[in-house]
Amino acid sequence: QKEVEQDPGPLSVPEGAIVSLNCTYSNSAFQYFMWYRQYSRKGPELLMYTYSSGNKEDGRFTAQVDKSSKYISLFIRDSQPSDSATYLCAMFKAAGNKLTFGGGTRVLVKP
Amino acid sequence: DAGVIQSPRHEVTEMGQEVTLRCKPISGHNSLFWYRQTMMRGLELLIYFNNNVPIDDSGMPEDRFSAKMPNASFSTLKIQPSEPRDSAVYFCASSGLAGAGTDTQYFGPGTRLTVL
Repeated sequence: QKEVEQDPGPLSVPEGAIVSLNCTYSNSAFQYFMWYRQYSRKGPELLMYTYSSGNKEDGRFTAQVDKSSKYISLFIRDSQPSDSATYLCAMFKAAGNKLTFGGGTRVLVKP
Repeated sequence: DAGVIQSPRHEVTEMGQEVTLRCKPISGHNSLFWYRQTMMRGLELLIYFNNNVPIDDSGMPEDRFSAKMPNASFSTLKIQPSEPRDSAVYFCASSGLAGAGTDTQYFGPGTRLTVL
């Protein structure tokens, strides 16, 4: 079983809809949680970073962390075709800086 | 800032040949990471360096893979001999704080390797 599980999708939504993405993890040592966006044939780029349980908002993006359930989410409001990409969750343990990635969810926002 | 630079962007080679991938991290960054991405296994960390020193190479699949970082501005990942199962996109990433668990990693554009 992988340490971080993520539904591969694809997740197809109409423009303007809310996109809901999530990851589950098995190791309670993970303390820092990140979401990366990867466009086709590009490298991943950091979207959101959170540490504590709760919500963090940045523009149209909201990241949620529930450490008790070992579950993290990313919501994209008012989705745009330019949001079409693969979204990868990633997490650190408290020490060191090795990122463990989920497999990524491919999102398609249709005009 | 030019970002992380990788070369070549695409490489097609035949089984048994040596392949060398190159990376120039962002100036001033002192941590460098090599990742491999495939459809089956996703994004996997192969090795990372802090201040040019390899810290964790537990992700290197086997002895055919080797990585070096001779100075702060250059790293190579070598596969010798290459095999078809090595076909993947190889990413290099760098970050600015050695050992800091929260630092952002900046990824290069990747090298798409195909081994025939």
